[in-house]
Amino acid sequence: QSVLTQPPSASGTPGQRVTISCSGSNSNIGSNIVNWYQQLPGTAPKLLIYSTDQRPSGVPDRISGSKFGTSASLAISGLQSEDETDYYCAAWDDSLNAWVFGGGTKLTVL
Amino acid sequence: QVHLVQSGAEVKKPGASVRVSCKASGYTFSTYGISWVRQAPGQGLEWMGWISAYNGNTNYAQKFQGRVTLTRDTSTSTAYMDLRSLRSDDTAVYYCARESEYSGTYYFAYWGQGTLVTVSS
Repeated sequence: QSVLTQPPSASGTPGQRVTISCSGSNSNIGSNIVNWYQQLPGTAPKLLIYSTDQRPSGVPDRISGSKFGTSASLAISGLQSEDETDYYCAAWDDSLNAWVFGGGTKLTVL
Repeated sequence: QVHLVQSGAEVKKPGASVRVSCKASGYTFSTYGISWVRQAPGQGLEWMGWISAYNGNTNYAQKFQGRVTLTRDTSTSTAYMDLRSLRSDDTAVYYCARESEYSGTYYFAYWGQGTLVTVSS
């Protein structure tokens, strides 16, 4: 059972915009930033969004992050087949004094 | 550029211990902390703990307190994760990840390639 809650799956057609939600509590998302990671099968996670809404160099601007209250979202617009993989949110939890992750969302491009 | 290279796959029996190493290059090792994250087969990511490469201070996830020890060797720029009393549900890929800082917030921009630890009798 993950501390942060993500939908197990999401889907969209090429060119569409999809969002992946990440729900937490006051001790994590409510008081700290959120990072998002993308993980291709058999590989290490890759940083997608840091500090809630910042993109590392090389991440296209069709990918964005946001937060409101105790929930965060990852948005991918202009969906491409290469976006089909797993996505994880993460935040620091002040009560647990630990990084906590969402259970992951598998994005399918139909 | 920054590289984190982990040791190879391990097969252990229940009750045994395992050590996974993470050799860093491309930056000043003592400047950034290292976290360890594991992923059981078909499951999500789970943070295990963090070590300061500067002074060796550690912070362990409650779940692993007493069973995991994180250390580092600044002379070889290597971080180590020792896990004891292995159980079958410790079977997972173990990753090291280097922290980065942005305006007082932290994230993992660099990851090792992962080390599969299989616990089986």
